[in-house]
Amino acid sequence: DAGVIQSPRHEVTEMGQEVTLRCKPISGHNSLFWYRQTMMRGLELLIYFNNNVPIDDSGMPEDRFSAKMPNASFSTLKIQPSEPRDSAVYFCASSLDSLDTQYFGPGTRLTVL
Amino acid sequence: AQSVTQLDSQVPVFEEAPVELRCNYSSSVSVYLFWYVQYPNQGLQLLLKYLSGSTLVESINGFEAEFNKSQTSFHLRKPSVHISDTAEYFCAVIKGSQGNLIFGKGTKLSVKP
Repeated sequence: DAGVIQSPRHEVTEMGQEVTLRCKPISGHNSLFWYRQTMMRGLELLIYFNNNVPIDDSGMPEDRFSAKMPNASFSTLKIQPSEPRDSAVYFCASSLDSLDTQYFGPGTRLTVL
Repeated sequence: AQSVTQLDSQVPVFEEAPVELRCNYSSSVSVYLFWYVQYPNQGLQLLLKYLSGSTLVESINGFEAEFNKSQTSFHLRKPSVHISDTAEYFCAVIKGSQGNLIFGKGTKLSVKP
């Protein structure tokens, strides 16, 4: 299996622009997680899905952030409008179920100027 | 609230020396405990985990961790480190039946020749 796939690997954008991050989980995995990693706050869970349904989005910073999982093989994290403080590495992870080992993608490094 | 504390943000050691990376958690309910490793510019990889059973768990590359319920600890140890062990190590916990991982701040292990 190719593992969790994230795109793009790097994104540089200007403040106010819309940013869409994409994730393809490992085939057969039922749970998908979005994390954000910064120097100041470490690793934070933003949202996770189980069987394509959002279970916990309490970590989503504000209304500018939204996440979807239209099917079992694809998820997006959208920031609109983006701000410089959104600059971070965003990781997607998937697992067989919510209590199983999570497999992380390589991350998307977002820079908002 | 559930939390994970990694007491050391950086641990420098010489090659072939033993190392212990400390992790304490706070929880009044059963937990599942994990250690993840992040090599530079990569995503996180599972190193080892404790779900139940034997309190001593081992990884394939010589690391081990012991779940100590009375001390609420899950310290990571290796008797002899290699240069290639240089990475950041994250302790994490899943609380009860919830699926979201709560991560510690991470410990940067730096192995010097």
